[in-house]
Amino acid sequence: SYELTQPPSVSVSPGQTASITCSGDKLGYKFASWYQQKPGQSPVLVIYRNNKRPSGIPERFSGSNSGNTATLTISGTQAMDEADYYCQAWDSSTGVFGTGTKVTVL
Amino acid sequence: QITLKESGPTLVKPTQTLTLTCTFSGFSLSTSGVGVGWIRQSPGKALEWLALIYWDDDKRYSPSLRSRLTITKDTSKNQVVLTMTNMDPVDTATYYCAHTVYGSGGYDYYYYMDVWGKGTTVTVSS
Repeated sequence: SYELTQPPSVSVSPGQTASITCSGDKLGYKFASWYQQKPGQSPVLVIYRNNKRPSGIPERFSGSNSGNTATLTISGTQAMDEADYYCQAWDSSTGVFGTGTKVTVL
Repeated sequence: QITLKESGPTLVKPTQTLTLTCTFSGFSLSTSGVGVGWIRQSPGKALEWLALIYWDDDKRYSPSLRSRLTITKDTSKNQVVLTMTNMDPVDTATYYCAHTVYGSGGYDYYYYMDVWGKGTTVTVSS
C-alpha cells in the first residue's frame, strides 16, 4: 500500500521559516494536500492541489510538490502555527495520510 | 456555509458493529465533484483515511479495512452512514466525516477535504 513519510517533529523560532517534508513514491505525479490540527480540534485544510490556499488561510503557508517530495513551508512562523501537520495524497482513488509532523515554535 | 456533524454510540463492545451517521448541510451530495469521506484518529496517533462516497454513489475504501467497512448515503436526508463490523479495542478513536472535493487536474485527479465535522469519539471495550 502507498505510504507517506513525514519527520516526527520540526522546531522553529518565531518569525523564521519552517519546512515540513512529505515523502512518497512518485508523489510529484499526484496532488498533495496539507492539514493543520491543533490539540482537541478537527483538522483544517491549509494547502490543496499542491500549492493552493483555501480562503482564510494566511499567505505565509505555501506548498510545493516535485519528484518524491511534497513540502509545506510556513514563512514568518507565528506562535499560533504550533500544531500537528499532515500531508495527504490519493493512490488509486483511496486516501493516504502522512505520518504527521509536530511543529513547535520555540 | 457547509457543516457536518457525526453521531453514533460512544461505547461499543468487541465484535459488535459500529454505525456512524454524518449529517450535513450547505451542499448536496447529488452535485458532481462532491463526496463525503470518513477519517479516524486513534489517541495520540496520525489521521487514518477510511472511506469515501461520491455524488454518483461510487465508493472507495481503505484497502486495510475494506472487508469491514460499508459506506452509504441518503441524499434526501443529507446523511452518510459508515458501518464497521467486528469492532476491536484498537478501533477506539475519534471518527470524523469531511466534505470532499475532487476533479481532474490534468495528470491526475485531485481530492481534498475542505470542511470537517467536530468528530465523535468511540471507545471499544467490554
